[in-house]
Amino acid sequence: DIVMTQTPLSLSVTPGQPASISCKSSQSLLHSDGKTYLYWYLQKPGQSPQLLIYEVSSRFSGVPDRFSGSGSGTDFTLKISRVEAEDVGVYYCMQGIHLPPWTFGQGTKVEIK
Amino acid sequence: QVQLVESGGGVVQPGGSLRLSCAASGFTFSSYGMHWVRQAPGKGLEWVAFIRYDGSNKYYADSVKGRFTISRDNSKNTLYLQMNSLRAEDTAVYYCAKTGYFDYWGQGTLVTVSS
Repeated sequence: DIVMTQTPLSLSVTPGQPASISCKSSQSLLHSDGKTYLYWYLQKPGQSPQLLIYEVSSRFSGVPDRFSGSGSGTDFTLKISRVEAEDVGVYYCMQGIHLPPWTFGQGTKVEIK
Repeated sequence: QVQLVESGGGVVQPGGSLRLSCAASGFTFSSYGMHWVRQAPGKGLEWVAFIRYDGSNKYYADSVKGRFTISRDNSKNTLYLQMNSLRAEDTAVYYCAKTGYFDYWGQGTLVTVSS
């Protein structure tokens, strides 16, 4: 099974400052179709997870442009350009290529200073 | 808008059974694969099962294989998870999620396995 490793596991950020989360997979997520199947989700406190980013860098419908994804192969990054109070929660990366199983990272908890 | 509403959770004794349902609306349910994902208290997300749009293929996590069965009724726009031989470690909030990349999630239903 593919192992997804996120760092850091927790992050405390001042509003208006940037934040970055790393996600590394144990195998390349690049498919022969040219796409890379890496996704990012945010689970706000008391809510179900919501999709933020699909295929490394495409923002899902309604996701603010302060969220961006990058990376390739096995190394990926989610960046928030200017953190807002509503961005608190736990962020998960997930791989969607070596299936089954679909596997998630451990989660990164983001809080506001 | 897309809506997924889970139901059927509750408290069950070890070894017992439970059937979860996920009622879908706002999209063509019969055109999309669907997942079950669970989250134990205070823990991360664990994929449980996936079923293709037409029910032709089903996949399970090793932790539930042989005990859980995913199914769907496209005429009722409903996804199911039959859970048998439940264990304490199955205690979690269970979410249904749409498509291969989980673009929409339900609000979850809590399953507690305890004597």
